[in-house]
Amino acid sequence: EDQVTQSPEALRLQEGESSSLNCSYTVSGLRGLFWYRQDPGKGPEFLFTLYSAGEEKEKERLKATLTKKESFLHITAPKPEDSATYLCAVQGNYGQNFVFGPGTRLSVLP
Amino acid sequence: KAGVTQTPRYLIKTRGQQVTLSCSPISGHRSVSWYQQTPGQGLQFLFEYFSETQRNKGNFPGRFSGRQFSNSRSEMNVSTLELGDSALYLCASSLENQGTGQFFGPGTRLTVL
Repeated sequence: EDQVTQSPEALRLQEGESSSLNCSYTVSGLRGLFWYRQDPGKGPEFLFTLYSAGEEKEKERLKATLTKKESFLHITAPKPEDSATYLCAVQGNYGQNFVFGPGTRLSVLP
Repeated sequence: KAGVTQTPRYLIKTRGQQVTLSCSPISGHRSVSWYQQTPGQGLQFLFEYFSETQRNKGNFPGRFSGRQFSNSRSEMNVSTLELGDSALYLCASSLENQGTGQFFGPGTRLTVL
């Protein structure tokens, strides 16, 4: 059974203080790993897709990396507007549905 | 390009009633998935439709059902509502659910009294 865990559950940073979020996964053949950002009361916003170990994707202050067992979302010099819940999801080769992790709630203080 | 739209945005029902939620995917997207999101359980997969066929189903009771129309629009229905069905219901569409990302709508907030 495909599983996704995320750590930490919550993270509080000062503006400009870089950090990383972790997503660990178990899947029978990875078709894709996905990162989303979700603001309160809204639907998740798609950020990145990673397909194979060693792959990296960047968008503004965010950088996602992938290994065979986990993915990291690095946040460089965060701003208060980066505050949100970050969700990780995987899709395996033998299942059609996406499995989501519980998310990391990020707060960036000015 | 218009995003995923969901109607209604908010809904209040009482126990025992039924409800139908609607989702219009991004133009050209044929895969539509439905999720239930609650503070305690996070995002839980309900079902996925592709070309009017249910292709995958999560672990929810038969009170939860759905369908997809020929224009890829989808509906989900919950019958005999229970208090525990109160949640944010999210619809997501993707090109073919084959390793591409899903794009979510704003959700329907269902409150069961």
